[in-house]
This record gives sequence, structure tokens and C-alpha cells, in this order.
Amino acid sequence: KQEVTQIPAALSVPEGENLVLNCSFTDSAIYNLQWFRQDPGKGLTSLLLIQSSQREQTSGRLNASLDKSSGRSTLYIAASQPGDSATYLCAPLSRTYKYIFGTGTRLKVLA
Amino acid sequence: DADVTQTPRNRITKTGKRIMLECSQTKGHDRMYWYRQDPGLGLRLIYYSFDVKDINKGEISDGYSVSRQAQAKFSLSLESAIPNQTALYFCATSDLQRPQLAGLSYNEQFFGPGTRLTVL
Repeated sequence: KQEVTQIPAALSVPEGENLVLNCSFTDSAIYNLQWFRQDPGKGLTSLLLIQSSQREQTSGRLNASLDKSSGRSTLYIAASQPGDSATYLCAPLSRTYKYIFGTGTRLKVLA
Repeated sequence: DADVTQTPRNRITKTGKRIMLECSQTKGHDRMYWYRQDPGLGLRLIYYSFDVKDINKGEISDGYSVSRQAQAKFSLSLESAIPNQTALYFCATSDLQRPQLAGLSYNEQFFGPGTRLTVL
């Protein structure tokens, strides 16, 4: 059974810092891994999707890497801003086409 | 207009009542999912459907049922609501796996805005 862990659970940083959010998963037989952002009480917004054949994906200040063999993905946020404050969730897609979610990293960027 | 919509957005009901949450999508995706989110537990899969005739239980299906009325519509029912079903419910969609084309993503999942359900 796929289990997903996200570290740290919470993070508070001053504006401008570069951040690393970690996601680990126990079953490496995945099709892809998706990173989401969730604002309090809101839905999930897709940030990046990495296919299993890829090593990384970039979108603006965000960069996500995937090391499938070791069961790890990292979301890198450059030059953090207060508007980046949210919960970040990762979800690998299993071979049965089910997404398993981590409990997320709650990020607060202080102005 | 939003690609994935959920109704109602908020609902307060009493124990024992039957409740239906509805999800509609205009993305043309075949796959649809229902999740619930509880503080500290993350999102957990309730039911999922790969097409109109293919419906599957997720990890926490007890106390819930679903109906896939059309490719674009997937409803979640609580037959007899209980207080521990108080949660945030999300509908999501994704496409079928297709050969990857340059610059495109597949099997990307898209979420609705959620329904906040309170069972008293």
C-alpha cells in the first residue's frame, strides 16, 4: 500500500528565502507525481506534474524533481513571497490509477 | 466558468438525513473521483469512476454511495449522515493515459472547489 510522507509538516520563513519541500513515497511503481497548492478552506490547484520518465519540471519560481527509484520528490520554491503561503500537497499516481496524498506542508512566508 | 463544479458549496444537515453532493465537469475527462479531507488526515479516496459503467470503491467507501449519471456528472450520496462524516468533500477529474506529446501533461488531476458538509 502506497504511503506518502511530507516533511516538514509546517514551515515559517521570511520573505525572499529559497525553500525545499520534501515528499517521500513507499511504492516506486508510479505513473507520475503531482504537486498541488491549497489555500485554507479552498480547493486544490495543480502546480506541477512530473511523469515517471522525467527528472524535473519547472514553472516560474517553482521546480519539482523526481527520483522514482528512491521514492522521493522535492518542490523547490525560489525567492518566496507572502502570496506563496498555503499548504502544499504531493500525490503520486499508482499503477491502479489512484492518487495517494500526503498530509501536506503548511507554509507561511512572512513579509 | 470553472471546469469542475460542485454543488452545494456548503451544507449543514442532521444525523440520519440523506444527502447528495453533485459534481459536474466540462473538461471532457473520463475519470472522476470523490475525496474527503479531514484536518491532519489529508485527502482520502471515497469512490472513483473510470467511465460511466466503471465505478470502484476507494479506501473509505463505507456509508457512501455514488452514481455516474453521464461522463460529465458524478454524484456522492450519504444515505444516512452521521457526525463523523463532517468534512470537506472534493470532486476531481483526470484524463485517460495517452501517449505523451511534447509540452502536454496527461493523467493530471483537476479539483473542484469543494463542499463543506457539517452533520449535526
